[in-house]
Amino acid sequence: AQTVTQSQPEMSVQEAETVTLSCTYDTSESNYYLFWYKQPPSRQMILVIRQEAYKQQNATENRFSVNFQKAAKSFSLKISDSQLGDTAMYFCAFGRSGGGADGLTFGKGTHLIIQP
Amino acid sequence: SQTIHQWPATLVQPVGSPLSLECTVEGTSNPNLYWYRQAAGRGLQLLFYSVGIGQISSEVPQNLSASRPQDRQFILSSKKLLLSDSGFYLCAWTGPGPDTVGQYFGPGTRLTVT
Repeated sequence: AQTVTQSQPEMSVQEAETVTLSCTYDTSESNYYLFWYKQPPSRQMILVIRQEAYKQQNATENRFSVNFQKAAKSFSLKISDSQLGDTAMYFCAFGRSGGGADGLTFGKGTHLIIQP
Repeated sequence: SQTIHQWPATLVQPVGSPLSLECTVEGTSNPNLYWYRQAAGRGLQLLFYSVGIGQISSEVPQNLSASRPQDRQFILSSKKLLLSDSGFYLCAWTGPGPDTVGQYFGPGTRLTVT
């Protein structure tokens, strides 16, 4: 079984600053996917970014980027030029590759607050 | 484009009453479908998933059940609700195939059992 750990229950930064959210995971799988999801106060889960474990290049989506360290089983999310709308819960998630689409394993989340 | 719907948005039910939550997906065929529960202040827990009509896999033993009567319809049910069933229920979908390459979530149902 996989586990996902987010060690920062809450973080707070000033608008326009850069913030990094941490995530570690444990698995015996060699091929898998990692995700960051955003859950704003509306509670809609939004896929922010995805990383395929066999790709060495870190994924980037506009102001969002990841630092994927496969050997260390670490998958952090960096948000550059943070905006008030980035305030939300952020969840790290793990998905098996070729696992029959058997769902994602989520961490407990980090509550990110962007201060004006 | 694909969209996913859930209803109702909010539900208050007494202990011992039945439950039926519905999820439908538009704009895709043969999706993989999922039910998750999110308890207050916690991450998401996978309850059920389905890779096709009538095919249901359960992740957590409980008094909930799921059914998939049509390709794009996924239903979460209970015969008798418990207080511990309160939470936020999310339906999700992903494209057909063996890889979980990213799930897309519905707006959720907030269930309160009194």
